[in-house]
Amino acid sequence: EPEVTQTPSHQVTQMGQEVILRCVPISNHLYFYWYRQILGQKVEFLVSFYNNEISEKSEIFDDQFSVERPDGSNFTLKIRSTKLEDSAMYFCASTIPEGTGELFFGEGSRLTVL
Amino acid sequence: GEDVEQSLFLSVREGDSSVINCTYTDSSSTYLYWYKQEPGAGLQLLTYIFSNMDMKQDQRLTVLLNKKDKHLSLRIADTQTGDSAIYFCAERETGFQKLVFGTGTRLLVSP
Repeated sequence: EPEVTQTPSHQVTQMGQEVILRCVPISNHLYFYWYRQILGQKVEFLVSFYNNEISEKSEIFDDQFSVERPDGSNFTLKIRSTKLEDSAMYFCASTIPEGTGELFFGEGSRLTVL
Repeated sequence: GEDVEQSLFLSVREGDSSVINCTYTDSSSTYLYWYKQEPGAGLQLLTYIFSNMDMKQDQRLTVLLNKKDKHLSLRIADTQTGDSAIYFCAERETGFQKLVFGTGTRLLVSP
């Protein structure tokens, strides 16, 4: 069964460092998303991406964040200068535009900022 | 903006039914979803309901939707220890592709 894959599963970084989280969405999906979940809190929407551009972003997704689809398969989230409060689980998801709109999630990348 | 609320914790005994509740604010939601998150794993879709339905049954799962009160519930019959997880309610607003998630309800099933 096709699945969304994310790397790394866990990354530890120093405050101020750049981090890139990678995702390979399901191959025929057209919408891509990043969500994050701070420990014990809600799953929060960060950004959606369609047709090679951001279609929607939340207030959390400030100038420190960027997304890219550098080739036909990868979808990346970059955090330019990490802060302590960026520590969270980051989930990538993808979907097709039609039907139920179900999002298919990866297993997440845990980011720990020290 | 949209807001989805759930109770944080539910504890049941194996074999009992579990009912997890969710309230949402967006009256233009088209689909509502229940996702399950097991420890250390991603979110897995359990079931969904279209906003013009009142009820949907899928094996041990029953979803009830009260559009007037903007209330959604998930009933798990004959709850098993393997059902222990966090359950997230989510809504999708008309014309938008993103889902808005609730706080999640941690279900603990004891033998």
